[in-house]
Amino acid sequence: DTGVSQDPRHKITKRGQNVTFRCDPISEHNRLYWYRQTLGQGPEFLTYFQNEAQLEKSRLLSDRFSAERPKGSFSTLEIQRTEQGDSAMYLCASSFGLLNSPLHFGNGTRLTVT
Amino acid sequence: AQRVTQPEKLLSVFKGAPVELKCNYSYSGSPELFWYVQYSRQRLQLLLRHISRESIKGFTADLNKGETSFHLKKPFAQEEDSAMYYCALSGGSNYKLTFGKGTLLTVNP
Repeated sequence: DTGVSQDPRHKITKRGQNVTFRCDPISEHNRLYWYRQTLGQGPEFLTYFQNEAQLEKSRLLSDRFSAERPKGSFSTLEIQRTEQGDSAMYLCASSFGLLNSPLHFGNGTRLTVT
Repeated sequence: AQRVTQPEKLLSVFKGAPVELKCNYSYSGSPELFWYVQYSRQRLQLLLRHISRESIKGFTADLNKGETSFHLKKPFAQEEDSAMYYCALSGGSNYKLTFGKGTLLTVNP
């Protein structure tokens, strides 16, 4: 499967713990996006990278959230001091940098904070 | 600010009936509109985009700038069309998508 892959698929953690998710985009895609989806809602934009540069962060992304994309390849999303409100599906997507190229989504990482 | 509204959370039709999933948007510039679909236990995937003006799986969508709408239509629904459908908007140079809350379409036999 040469699509976007995310790891882990599921993560259960206790409140206050730190978690890190990984996303491997389609290899030739230079843009990478993180979205969050809660029950009954559409995906909400968190942040995006063009190559290794993080170009935009949503106001949803509090100081406890940090994302990186070293070398412009895979990306990690870390949440520090998790809260119950962080429970959601975290989606990664990638695209090739032509005008409004479609986003290719991964299967997501489902985070449950107990 | 970008906003996408899908007024129906649930839509149920019978096989062979026409289906229309509504989408309205708010954006001050010139938007790009998309429909994404998520079938059961599959990842979110692009169904169609307004600039390509193509019909995918029998679905079409026309951008109506006067009504700020991008409704998705299919003349004869099939059971395999049952899925969650999201309308999405992209504006500006960052290509990020703003999604609606989605409509769950159920096509009954």
